[in-house]
Amino acid sequence: DAKTTQPNSMESNEEEPVHLPCNHSTISGTDYIHWYRQLPSQGPEYVIHGLTSNVNNRMASLAIAEDRKSSTLILHRATLRDAAVYYCILRLPNDYKLSFGAGTTVTVRA
Amino acid sequence: DAGVIQSPRHEVTEMGQEVTLRCKPISGHNSLFWYRQTMMRGLELLIYFNNNVPIDDSGMPEDRFSAKMPNASFSTLKIQPSEPRDSAVYFCASSPTPRAFNYGYTFGSGTRLTVV
Repeated sequence: DAKTTQPNSMESNEEEPVHLPCNHSTISGTDYIHWYRQLPSQGPEYVIHGLTSNVNNRMASLAIAEDRKSSTLILHRATLRDAAVYYCILRLPNDYKLSFGAGTTVTVRA
Repeated sequence: DAGVIQSPRHEVTEMGQEVTLRCKPISGHNSLFWYRQTMMRGLELLIYFNNNVPIDDSGMPEDRFSAKMPNASFSTLKIQPSEPRDSAVYFCASSPTPRAFNYGYTFGSGTRLTVV
């Protein structure tokens, strides 16, 4: 299985952008890049996913490197509510499994 | 939509007792997953159902664990007998399809199980 590498933790100030990196150098041509986050005392929450092109939704943006060996989740204006563990996960198109790593713990300072 | 509903939210039980965790997936979702989260092992997939049929139970740790999905709107995870090492947060998740290309999974708020 292709693996992902994320920093253990990141800090941000409220209302500033947050760029969360994810390295996946062994990604296959058909792996989708999914991001989930887990707020304290809650279940994981789907954030965004993409294959090759950059993606935007109401929660975040996903920037995918041209060689697809890395990606960056962008929270445009961090709020206190964005403090969570963020997981970068690779999934094959027909793979039902979500394999969670340790993720990146994001702290947002007021 | 109320999302994925799990009950109870917290459960404290004595070692050796039977524990039943419940999950109501989102209406119309054909895939259901049970996950367990501990500090040591993180989030682990226990079992996956598609159209009420168990497809992959390779993550179920022991025979003490069993899961059922009698209909599209209800699933249970049972531990009998329970042991202290089963203490964890158990999450249920559902999806319209297990395919990765278009859908994310919706998780419930979890059941925090403590076995004393």
